[in-house]
Amino acid sequence: SQQGEEDPQALSIQEGENATMNCSYKTSINNLQWYRQNSGRGLVHLILIRSNEREKHSGRLRVTLDTSKKSSSLLITASRAADTASYFCATDATPGETSGSRLTFGEGTQLTVNP
Amino acid sequence: DGGITQSPKYLFRKEGQNVTLSCEQNLNHDAMYWYRQDPGQGLRLIYYSQIVNDFQKGDIAEGYSVSREKKESFPLTVTSAQKNPTAFYLCASSIGPSIYNEQFFGPGTRLTVL
Repeated sequence: SQQGEEDPQALSIQEGENATMNCSYKTSINNLQWYRQNSGRGLVHLILIRSNEREKHSGRLRVTLDTSKKSSSLLITASRAADTASYFCATDATPGETSGSRLTFGEGTQLTVNP
Repeated sequence: DGGITQSPKYLFRKEGQNVTLSCEQNLNHDAMYWYRQDPGQGLRLIYYSQIVNDFQKGDIAEGYSVSREKKESFPLTVTSAQKNPTAFYLCASSIGPSIYNEQFFGPGTRLTVL
């Protein structure tokens, strides 16, 4: 079952512009994570935001979480051609704090940054 | 170098054959996971293991089997019962049984059934 849904499915921008991707989910979560995947490669973790956090920054990345709307956004500022990749949100709705991390991934946003 | 390795990178199988995908990690992580990714899609969880000698079914376990005899290794067998096995398979690990852990991914194995 798909918990997260990303929007848009594809995004094409010019280098230097900002890129915003959105993720919506259906059930209560413990945390939401964003991952990046270059074509044909494994995923790389970008950032984790807990359910009691509203905003988090890491370098050029800014993530927001609105649990009342069950949505999150990932903003990449001053994009570079090297940011071209697929970006996935993943939610952890595992009951209990020690029961382990089981993530449910969305279908991703394909970002293309044109030089 | 610490990390997760998957082998082989590309695998071809004839219909009706079982095939085993390798996943090894030297990160000393307790938890390991197998995902399947189809073209243009997200990841779907096949099996996961939170500790040695224990594993649980994910969302699409039918036609797959796993073992976890060593902390470092979590091989996935794609059996002939899996009706549509052609896909990209990703292995991941995380440090342990906490909900606030990120997952680390291997490079993936692309399986094609001929």
